[in-house]
Amino acid sequence: NAGVTQTPKFRVLKTGQSMTLLCAQDMNHEYMYWYRQDPGMGLRLIHYSVGEGTTAKGEVPDGYNVSRLKKQNFLLGLESAAPSQTSVYFCASSYSMSGTLYNEQFFGPGTRLTVL
Amino acid sequence: GESVGLHLPTLSVQEGDNSIINCAYSNSASDYFIWYKQESGKGPQFIIDIRSNMDKRQGQRVTVLLNKTVKHLSLQIAATQPGDSAVYFCAESNSGGYQKVTFGTGTKLQVIP
Repeated sequence: NAGVTQTPKFRVLKTGQSMTLLCAQDMNHEYMYWYRQDPGMGLRLIHYSVGEGTTAKGEVPDGYNVSRLKKQNFLLGLESAAPSQTSVYFCASSYSMSGTLYNEQFFGPGTRLTVL
Repeated sequence: GESVGLHLPTLSVQEGDNSIINCAYSNSASDYFIWYKQESGKGPQFIIDIRSNMDKRQGQRVTVLLNKTVKHLSLQIAATQPGDSAVYFCAESNSGGYQKVTFGTGTKLQVIP
């Protein structure tokens, strides 16, 4: 199993450009998440999905959109990139969202995005 | 607001010694805690977890202690090895609603050969 994979690994954008980050998991997990990681701060949740066709906002959703058309894929879109979106983006997946079973989130290797 | 924090941003430990990484949390509703390890250039990796009905849980070379009275948890790594060098995050979660996990900022563990 590949686990959680992310493409691309690196990307440089100019302000105003758009792009899509792709996350794929082969563990048949229901739940998927997008986080951003900035220096001196913990991981912050951007958006998440509780299943195919569903999405919901996390802590810092502004400027991002997501889609979950297939269970195994979770896409993060930036419609008009801004320098404040320079960050490392991590995708994660988990079997269950409840606090009782299978809470472990499996993370991808990350995408380093720079917006000039 | 509720937060999860770490006491020390950097911890240097001699190879072979035991490491202790501390974490404080403030959300009394949290009932599930996780430690993650993040190596340079990689995503966080689950190490060990503990539920609020436990005080201690052991894994392979790692032990997590939970003190609910003072809202504190720690990660102990026995016989620290160079491969343990990484940033360690504590995180908290609760059973209600979606699995909102709040991550701490991380402690960097440096193992001195």
